[in-house]
Amino acid sequence: DGGITQSPKYLFRKEGQNVTLSCEQNLNHDAMYWYRQDPGQGLRLIYYSQIVNDFQKGDIAEGYSVSREKKESFPLTVTSAQKNPTAFYLCASSRTGVGDDEQYFGPGTRLTVT
Amino acid sequence: DQQVKQNSPSLSVQEGRISILNCDYTNSMFDYFLWYKKYPAEGPTFLISISSIKDKNEDGRFTVFLNKSAKHLSLHIVPSQPGDSAVYFCAASEVYGAGSYQLTFGKGTKLSVIP
Repeated sequence: DGGITQSPKYLFRKEGQNVTLSCEQNLNHDAMYWYRQDPGQGLRLIYYSQIVNDFQKGDIAEGYSVSREKKESFPLTVTSAQKNPTAFYLCASSRTGVGDDEQYFGPGTRLTVT
Repeated sequence: DQQVKQNSPSLSVQEGRISILNCDYTNSMFDYFLWYKKYPAEGPTFLISISSIKDKNEDGRFTVFLNKSAKHLSLHIVPSQPGDSAVYFCAASEVYGAGSYQLTFGKGTKLSVIP
């Protein structure tokens, strides 16, 4: 079965700790994306990557970091510099980052920082 | 400033009737529009899309209408079914720089279909 997996589904961390959210896809998609969703808000783009070893900041990249060492993996690190890290994080991928390709989303990770 | 607006946070419709979800945008550079459906604690799933060169796209019970002059699009679901109850996100994209497409999402409309 092809798809996008995010793990874990729920994650709890203490304030001041960095935490890495995993995202893996076996769709052979070139482009991958990270969004966060807050209550009553649309999805906001954190980072995106059009190709391996390349990534770009989205609208709200501050306090986050990513890497794209492999085509199928795009982990997101929420650092202690992120002021409001508690949110629902969604990873997505698309066949390419160019053209009218739909983005396919993973199931999401709900991060709670206390 | 929100570039994609879904002004109705919620909508209730009787089963079998038509659901109409609306979306307005402000960026005239947007040229591709999508609707996503999202259940609680799950990722959004793609529903239907429309290119700016069209004014209508239909897929089964779902039809999206685009009015470019009004910068408005709508999603029609006919007939509505209880399983359609979800949050619906409108999204729009434009080409950036080297040709990459980024999606801008609205805040979503929660549709409740009453049996």
